Amino acid sequence: GENVEQHPSTLSVQEGDSAVIKCTYSDSASNYFPWYKQELGKRPQLIIDIRSNVGEKKDQRIAVTLNKTAKHFSLHITETQPEDSAVYFCAATRRREYSSASKIIFGSGTRLSIRP
Amino acid sequence: DVKVTQSSRYLVKRTGEKVFLECVQDMDHENMFWYRQDPGLGLRLIYFSYDVKMKEKGDIPEGYSVSREKKERFSLILESASTNQTSMYLCASSPGLAGGPRNPNLYFGPGTRLTVT
Repeated sequence: GENVEQHPSTLSVQEGDSAVIKCTYSDSASNYFPWYKQELGKRPQLIIDIRSNVGEKKDQRIAVTLNKTAKHFSLHITETQPEDSAVYFCAATRRREYSSASKIIFGSGTRLSIRP
Repeated sequence: DVKVTQSSRYLVKRTGEKVFLECVQDMDHENMFWYRQDPGLGLRLIYFSYDVKMKEKGDIPEGYSVSREKKERFSLILESASTNQTSMYLCASSPGLAGGPRNPNLYFGPGTRLTVT
């Protein structure tokens, strides 16, 4: 079945440095790749997403890249700040043309810690 | 602003009890989901629904059932709770294809931490 693998499981970076989280997916028909951030004790929230017809997308300090051939995508956070500390989840889904249902499969999560 | 609410933040049940977890969304979303979150395992899909009375199994449906009698409400049922169902349960909703945005962003509820003893 569909599978999304995420690495690393934990990541600690110095404040101001960059952080990179990588994911691979198994379903070649996946066409939408969101990233969610979950702060301690809070619900996951979408921070950025990318569709399969785009190779890279940026939003201020965060960016996501997608390599469809290799079936992997990555989250890049530059100039990290203390508020970036959280668990980050990648996900993949295949939008079915004739149905509203979208089965969204998540990676196992990366706990990012920013050292002051 | 989308609001997804869950009936309880914390719940303690005994082995063998029947457990109901309720989720309500107020944005007329077609799709609703139930995930469980466990350390190191991420968010695993239990069941989802794309319309009233419609449901599909996710990756770990064993031991669970769901009910969607009204568009805004999606219930997760543990027919006979077991200790390995101790977990954080997250409900989510997303707009459908018709009339909604192109991407299926999930809006999560606050979660229910269930302990089965």
